Amino acid sequence: QVQLVQSGAEVKKPGASVKVSCKASGYTFTSYTMHWVRQAPGQRLEWMGWINAGNSNTKYSQKFQGRVTITRDTSASTAYMELSSLRSEDTAVYYCARGDVTIFGGYYYYYMDVWGKGTTVTVSS
Amino acid sequence: DIQMTQSPSSLSASVGDRVTITCRASQSVSSYLNWYQQKAGKAPNLLIYGASSLQSGVPSRFSGSGSGTDFTLTISSLQPEDFATYYCQQSFSTPPTFGQGTKVEIK
Repeated sequence: QVQLVQSGAEVKKPGASVKVSCKASGYTFTSYTMHWVRQAPGQRLEWMGWINAGNSNTKYSQKFQGRVTITRDTSASTAYMELSSLRSEDTAVYYCARGDVTIFGGYYYYYMDVWGKGTTVTVSS
Repeated sequence: DIQMTQSPSSLSASVGDRVTITCRASQSVSSYLNWYQQKAGKAPNLLIYGASSLQSGVPSRFSGSGSGTDFTLTISSLQPEDFATYYCQQSFSTPPTFGQGTKVEIK
């Protein structure tokens, strides 16, 4: 079955970096995009960026531009999200989510159809 | 960025009730609107894409409608497993943005 398995919880100090992994199985990794979405405690979901797992093209939210890097290793069917210069406001659950598309009537409908269980990142001194 | 606003932020309902959640976009998103369900401590789960298309495996009591700026998610007969938080998300433009969520609680 299609599955995304994320790495374990992390505790980091302010100013440090964190790298979260997301291993895909059950589908052709390079045929889809992978999104990263985070959720701070009690807050709404917040999109960070995505990577085209086939050609490694990326797109980032302006909010995180310069601090976030999304990469992938096709041999391992794994996507990575690295966030640098961490601050307390980055404390959140970080999710990877597969991006898919349905074409209907000539229109392209994009959505995130499979999600990892999430990785808790705590930033504290 | 397109702002997404849901109403209400929370509601109490009983098993068997018909529940309607509204999502409004700050500008037209055509039909590029998705709905997700998130249970406490779990990852979101896709329910509806393209405003009204039911994701495979999702029960038919869930339905979506709307276009432009105003959308609704309807649960025709609320079941015990439906108590959760629901989010809308626009996929019209980058960055994709989410509503603040609507928490459906047991009455």
